[in-house]
Amino acid sequence: GNSVTQMEGPVTLSEEAFLTINCTYTATGYPSLFWYVQYPGEGLQLLLKATKADDKGSNKGFEATYRKETTSFHLEKGSVQVSDSAVYFCALSDPQGAQKLVFGQGTRLTINP
Amino acid sequence: DAGVIQSPRHEVTEMGQEVTLRCKPISGHNSLFWYRQTMMRGLELLIYFNNNVPIDDSGMPEDRFSAKMPNASFSTLKIQPSEPRDSAVYFCASSQLFTGEQFFGPGTRLTVL
Repeated sequence: GNSVTQMEGPVTLSEEAFLTINCTYTATGYPSLFWYVQYPGEGLQLLLKATKADDKGSNKGFEATYRKETTSFHLEKGSVQVSDSAVYFCALSDPQGAQKLVFGQGTRLTINP
Repeated sequence: DAGVIQSPRHEVTEMGQEVTLRCKPISGHNSLFWYRQTMMRGLELLIYFNNNVPIDDSGMPEDRFSAKMPNASFSTLKIQPSEPRDSAVYFCASSQLFTGEQFFGPGTRLTVL
């Protein structure tokens, strides 16, 4: 079946550090890939997405590239801020066209000033 | 747009009581999803609807849970009778058909004593 595996957290970094959160997936066919972010006390928000191989999604300084050969969609940011502290979820859409998203377990990120 | 609206934001009830959670999706969205989030189990999809019709309820934990979508602008998730293990944050999300991008509400934090 379809699944998403994320880097285990929690992750703690200093402000301005480089961030990578790993995400790999298993799917039949060609899913779309997403990163969602959840700030404390809020629902999930779409951060970025990529719909086909080699696409790069980007938003708010975050980037992720859809790598079909390694079945990965790693999230990166060059210089993190305290306001980036949140839980990050990698997800894929069902390649068979169903509406469901399959989420990873989430990675809690804390940025210290 | 007001986004996905959920009510109540917080609910505290006693074991055995009926609980009803409400959701208003974004206007024009055809799909609606109910999720449950706990520390132990993470984010779980309970049920989703396309065009007001339940498509997949395999995530509904047991017969105590039921969900309805009587029209395109309203859905309910009911738990009867409630139990302490139902304590969680319940999210509603909506999307347009086959886009993969879901918009989440702020959630309802349910505590069953």
